[in-house]
Amino acid sequence: DAGITQSPRYKITETGRQVTLMCHQTWSHSYMFWYRQDLGHGLRLIYYSAAADITDKGEVPDGYVVSRSKTENFPLTLESATRSQTSVYFCASTVARTRNNEQFFGPGTRLTVL
Amino acid sequence: KQEVTQIPAALSVPEGENLVLNCSFTDSAIYNLQWFRQDPGKGLTSLLLIQSSQREQTSGRLNASLDKSSGRSTLYIAASQPGDSATYLCAFRMDSSYKLIFGSGTRLLVRP
Repeated sequence: DAGITQSPRYKITETGRQVTLMCHQTWSHSYMFWYRQDLGHGLRLIYYSAAADITDKGEVPDGYVVSRSKTENFPLTLESATRSQTSVYFCASTVARTRNNEQFFGPGTRLTVL
Repeated sequence: KQEVTQIPAALSVPEGENLVLNCSFTDSAIYNLQWFRQDPGKGLTSLLLIQSSQREQTSGRLNASLDKSSGRSTLYIAASQPGDSATYLCAFRMDSSYKLIFGSGTRLLVRP
């Protein structure tokens, strides 16, 4: 049972380049999320998705684009990377039930923008 | 807007001690609360989830409580072990969207 995976685990890129972070889950969870974790800010929500083809902004969406053509995949794209987007990015998922909807997290992608 | 505070920010204890981590929140209209553990350089591991209608949940040596009236949750760790060393985060689900709002975490070191 692979659970939730992210790729790449580490990425170094340059300012202005486009970068896509991948997230894949094997549970068929309807909800998926992208968070970034920064020292001094904790974990903040970037975008989330309630189902395939349904996405919505979180707390810090500027500079990011998401898509969800299939339930199991939720890629995050930085269209033109900036140094302020250097961070650790976590993908998460949960099943849409009223009760007991734990969120499960991937291992993270550490992104450095030079 | 929900604000979440975790105190202390860091804690160092000798092995075997019982300890309490605190999480306070400003908006009591929560759906549920989740406690996570994060090891250095790793993702988050879910420890316990408490529904808004519950007072506590237990898993092994861990016990989490929720008091909405006082805006507090605590995570109690019994008989701490060096393997418990990690950062512990609390997070709240506020609405039907399943989004979580996180605290900044408590970094725990259990000394052998």
